[in-house]
Parts: sequence; C-alpha cells; structure tokens
Amino acid sequence: NAGVTQTPKFRVLKTGQSMTLLCAQDMNHEYMYWYRQDPGMGLRLIHYSVGEGTTAKGEVPDGYNVSRLKKQNFLLGLESAAPSQTSVYFCASRTGPQGYTFGSGTRLTVV
Amino acid sequence: QKEVEQDPGPLSVPEGAIVSLNCTYSNSAFQYFMWYRQYSRKGPELLMYTYSSGNKEDGRFTAQVDKSSKYISLFIRDSQPSDSATYLCAMKEKSGTASKLTFGTGTRLQVTL
Repeated sequence: NAGVTQTPKFRVLKTGQSMTLLCAQDMNHEYMYWYRQDPGMGLRLIHYSVGEGTTAKGEVPDGYNVSRLKKQNFLLGLESAAPSQTSVYFCASRTGPQGYTFGSGTRLTVV
Repeated sequence: QKEVEQDPGPLSVPEGAIVSLNCTYSNSAFQYFMWYRQYSRKGPELLMYTYSSGNKEDGRFTAQVDKSSKYISLFIRDSQPSDSATYLCAMKEKSGTASKLTFGTGTRLQVTL
C-alpha cells in the first residue's frame, strides 16, 4: 500500500519550460489537493478536486492547470515556468472529514 | 494579517522536556483543528485531530482547542530526539464538500540529547 505517490521527486526547469507533476493514490479517495510550500508562507492550496473529472481553484492557482481524468491520479501542469514557481509541491488525498494523506513532495527549481 | 499565525521557532528543548506548541487564528468559522508533523524533506503526517473545543490525548501528545480565545495548542510530554521535526497546525470550516485546510507556517522543534 503506497498511499500517495508523487513523481518526479526533483526537477530543475528553465524559465518558460513546461512540465507535469503526477500524483497517484491507491486508497480510493475522492478528494485530492495540490499544495505548494514556501519558507515563511506555509502550505498554500493551488487546486483541488472533489472527484473524477472535477477540478477547482484554490488560494494560488495562477500559472497552474490541473486534470483528474482518473480517480486515482491528479496532475499539476506548469505551462510556462517562472522563477516564482520554485517551491516544494505536495499532493494530498482524503476521504471523510479528516485523514489527509500527503505525498513526499516534488522539489522544483526554476532557473 | 494571516488567518493562522504560528511562531516559526526554532524551538530547542532537552530530551524529556514538555513542549508546548501554539497557533492563533482569526476565522471564527473554523471547526476542525489538526496538528501535522513534518520531518525534513518529507510530507506532513497527521498527528492529532480535534473537532470544536476541548482536549484530546494520544500517548505523549495532547491537543487543546480554546475557540473563545481562537487559540490551539499541542503538548508533547517526555520529548524525544525523534520528535525533532516541524509541527504544522491546520484548520478548516465545517461547511463545504472540499473542506479546504488552512495551515500555519510551522514551528521547527529540535530535541537535544
């Protein structure tokens, strides 16, 4: 039982490049979330999904897009990376009022 | 002003000490309160979960919520070096299917031998 798996774990991008971060969960959770974590800012919600085929904007959605074509996968895309998107990205999933399970994170550097 | 305020630390204590970690918040609609522990280069893991006001105990950990003061605390008894991590408080409102969490910035704890 892997829980929440994020790929890749590390990535360096040049400004303007695009990439997709993959989050996969094997717990049959309905809700999935993408957060970014920056020093002094805490975890901030980028986008979230309440079920397969649905997505919604969070607190800091600009510059990101998401898709949830399959229940177990939640993809986060950066169309044109900017240095301000240098961060650690965490995916989480949950079922019920508690029990958020986080992945181990993707460290992204945009140069 | 942030919705959730948390002292970033670092907080350094000797092994065996009682640790007190705290958060204050401004949104009176918050109903669910959580504490997460995050080891370096890892994702947060749920430590304690409390609904509304009151205390909850789990082993060496006690979570307290005082909604009248908009103040929550996490106490760690008999602290161990393995407790060295960043502790994040998180809160959410009762309404809404997505039940989005609002996090504090985290307090870094170091337990020394």
